[in-house]
Amino acid sequence: EDQVTQSPEALRLQEGESSSLNCSYTVSGLRGLFWYRQDPGKGPEFLFTLYSAGEEKEKERLKATLTKKESFLHITAPKPEDSATYLCAVGAGSYQLTFGKGTKLSVIP
Amino acid sequence: NAGVTQTPKFQVLKTGQSMTLQCAQDMNHNSMYWYRQDPGMGLRLIYYSASEGTTDKGEVPNGYNVSRLNKREFSLRLESAAPSQTSVYFCASSDGQLNTIYFGEGSWLTVV
Repeated sequence: EDQVTQSPEALRLQEGESSSLNCSYTVSGLRGLFWYRQDPGKGPEFLFTLYSAGEEKEKERLKATLTKKESFLHITAPKPEDSATYLCAVGAGSYQLTFGKGTKLSVIP
Repeated sequence: NAGVTQTPKFQVLKTGQSMTLQCAQDMNHNSMYWYRQDPGMGLRLIYYSASEGTTDKGEVPNGYNVSRLNKREFSLRLESAAPSQTSVYFCASSDGQLNTIYFGEGSWLTVV
């Protein structure tokens, strides 16, 4: 059974304080790892897809990396508008994605 | 620039009532999905439609039915609502297997 564990559950950062969110996974044959951002009362918004270990992708202050067992979402010099819940999901060859429970990020001015 | 559109946004049902959640996408995607999101749990797949004319069960299909009306539209029906179906429901679409999934804004359903 595919499993995704995200840590920490919640993270409070001061504006400008860089940090990383973790997504650990167990899956038989990873086909893709997905990162989403979800604001309160909204649907998940796509951020990145990673397909193979060693792959990295960046978007503004966010950088996602992938190893064979986990993925990190690095947030550099965060701003209050980066506050959201970040979701990780893995896919293993079917149409079904397995989602983690998310990390709620709060960036304090 | 609508993407995935769901209706209604909010709904309150009494136990045993039925209702249909509507979803439409304008991205010409082949695959569509219905997920539910509950506090403390990750998004869970209810049903999906890999392509027009096909539907398949996901992780939590009990109590639900779906219809892929055409390439654009995918509806979710609760035949006899139960309090355990109180949740936030998200419709989503993608261009195929494991391609990026794009979500709608959600439908908040309360069953009393």
